[in-house]
Amino acid sequence: EAQVTQNPRYLITVTGKKLTVTCSQNMNHEYMSWYRQDPGLGLRQIYYSMNVEVTDKGDVPEGYKVSRKEKRNFPLILESPSPNQTSLYFCASSSGNGYTEAFFGQGTRLTVV
Amino acid sequence: ILNVEQSPQSLHVQEGDSTNFTCSFPSSNFYALHWYRWETAKSPEALFVMTLNGDEKKKGRISATLNTKEGYSYLYIKGSQPEDSATYLCAFTPDAGNMLTFGGGTRLMVKP
Repeated sequence: EAQVTQNPRYLITVTGKKLTVTCSQNMNHEYMSWYRQDPGLGLRQIYYSMNVEVTDKGDVPEGYKVSRKEKRNFPLILESPSPNQTSLYFCASSSGNGYTEAFFGQGTRLTVV
Repeated sequence: ILNVEQSPQSLHVQEGDSTNFTCSFPSSNFYALHWYRWETAKSPEALFVMTLNGDEKKKGRISATLNTKEGYSYLYIKGSQPEDSATYLCAFTPDAGNMLTFGGGTRLMVKP
């Protein structure tokens, strides 16, 4: 089954404690991205990757890092989480051009206290 | 940052009503417009990807139209059902890189 898998689904952590949210896709997609969703603000893109070892900032990259060492995986790293990063996070993948739909993971609800 | 706006933000309708909502995007550079349906506690799922001015797409009771020259797309739901309750998101991309910019969504609630 074609899918994008994120882990964990829920996470409560403390300010400053490094964490990683994993994302993996099994569709051989070139393009992967991370979004955060906050009430009233829709989905905002954090980082995206157009292929292995190619990453770029989206609209809200501050406080986040990503890596793309393999085509299937695109982890999101918060080196020093802060309460303003409390949000719902989605990973998405697509075949790499704007004509094709994006496939989303199930979401990770992160709370930073 | 591209400006993609959706209206209304939320909508309450009765079962059986037909409804529509709007997505506005920059008309200067256009490549594709996506519509997604996002149910609570699930992930967004694609409804349509639209690329040509005048495009009309249909899936069951849901249809969408596209006007790239004036920068808007409409999503229509005919005979709304409670299971249509969801947030409907549009996303715009001005080029082939597929960096989607999402609107804030329209939250639809259909009362039985």
